[in-house]
Amino acid sequence: EAGVAQSPRYKIIEKRQSVAFWCNPISGHATLYWYQQILGQGPKLLIQFQNNGVVDDSQLPKDRFSAERLKGVDSTLKIQPAKLEDSAVYLCASSLDGGGTDTQYFGPGTRLTVL
Amino acid sequence: EDQVTQSPEALRLQEGESSSLNCSYTVSGLRGLFWYRQDPGKGPEFLFTLYSAGEEKEKERLKATLTKKESFLHITAPKPEDSATYLCAVQADRDDKIIFGKGTRLHILP
Repeated sequence: EAGVAQSPRYKIIEKRQSVAFWCNPISGHATLYWYQQILGQGPKLLIQFQNNGVVDDSQLPKDRFSAERLKGVDSTLKIQPAKLEDSAVYLCASSLDGGGTDTQYFGPGTRLTVL
Repeated sequence: EDQVTQSPEALRLQEGESSSLNCSYTVSGLRGLFWYRQDPGKGPEFLFTLYSAGEEKEKERLKATLTKKESFLHITAPKPEDSATYLCAVQADRDDKIIFGKGTRLHILP
């Protein structure tokens, strides 16, 4: 079974530039999550989708971050404009249906460096 | 406020030296507690889910236990390949939000 795919794996940009990350979840998984993991910290949930609808985006900085999941499969996370404090690993995860304590499967992440 | 605290932050053990990692949590109502392993440059890998106090789960050299306030991840006779960061997360039953701790970096010396 193929895992969660993410691209790019690494990205270096200057502050105030824009960047986008892509995620392809495990086939058949209805729920998709984007997390931000700052060095030395645990992952922090940014947004959760159930199919193509948003379930929770309470911790997404909406003035600069946006995410979409068209057709309920792939997802993109965008940052515009980036700030120095956005330097982190952005993890995508998926689960079968997101209900209860459904197991989340994580992708390898995209490491973003903002200079 | 829901909170997860893991200790120690880092732990170095000799191969074969058993030990335990701690995850203390504060949550209004626990739906589940999760343990993940994270290798450098990779995403977290699921290990266990625990649901209620007194529950235990095992996988190879790892055993996870749960009380009403904390969980332990016991590592028996570890090997160098067990070196990783171990993350604990809790899910609250009132809103299903998942909160991760900062993790424990475990290094097993050969």
